[in-house]
Amino acid sequence: AQSVTQLDSQVPVFEEAPVELRCNYSSSVSVYLFWYVQYPNQGLQLLLKYLSGSTLVESINGFEAEFNKSQTSFHLRKPSVHISDTAEYFCAVSAGSYQLTFGKGTKLSVIP
Amino acid sequence: DVKVTQSSRYLVKRTGEKVFLECVQDMDHENMFWYRQDPGLGLRLIYFSYDVKMKEKGDIPEGYSVSREKKERFSLILESASTNQTSMYLCASSSHASGDTDTQYFGPGTRLTVL
Repeated sequence: AQSVTQLDSQVPVFEEAPVELRCNYSSSVSVYLFWYVQYPNQGLQLLLKYLSGSTLVESINGFEAEFNKSQTSFHLRKPSVHISDTAEYFCAVSAGSYQLTFGKGTKLSVIP
Repeated sequence: DVKVTQSSRYLVKRTGEKVFLECVQDMDHENMFWYRQDPGLGLRLIYFSYDVKMKEKGDIPEGYSVSREKKERFSLILESASTNQTSMYLCASSSHASGDTDTQYFGPGTRLTVL
């Protein structure tokens, strides 16, 4: 079985500052890793994913995450946040069994 | 783009009523999922289906049932709604195709209130 820990439930950050949302996972087998974003009163949208290959993956809106197998982490980073990035972010892991295991989420609040 | 739609964005029901939540996907995905989302608890899997007429229990199936008669449609049924089923319900779908492995695509959610 897999598990996901998102270490921070809330992260406030000033506009244009960098941010890192932390995600650690536990699994006895190889995994696929995902970050989803949820804007208020909406469903989850896929932000980026790691399936194989390069350990650094990027999204179209400036976020990136790096798969670190030795530290079992998949932290999400952005060098400069915007007000529009205010949302809840979920890390998820899969071991190829169709099911995703989600973390409890991190609420990112961008302060003007 | 994958599109997953849910029959209602907001729903208010009374205790004891039978409630149907419907989900439709347009990408011929084999797998479909129902989650509930509660503050501080994240997403919890209720049921999933990997083929027509097939279903598997997730982590919290009690008080729920599902139906998948057609590939594109997955219904969640609350046989007798209770106040502790007040929640946001999210439907998702995914494909068996390699390159898209386990990537789930979500609908907009249904916020159900049971009075």
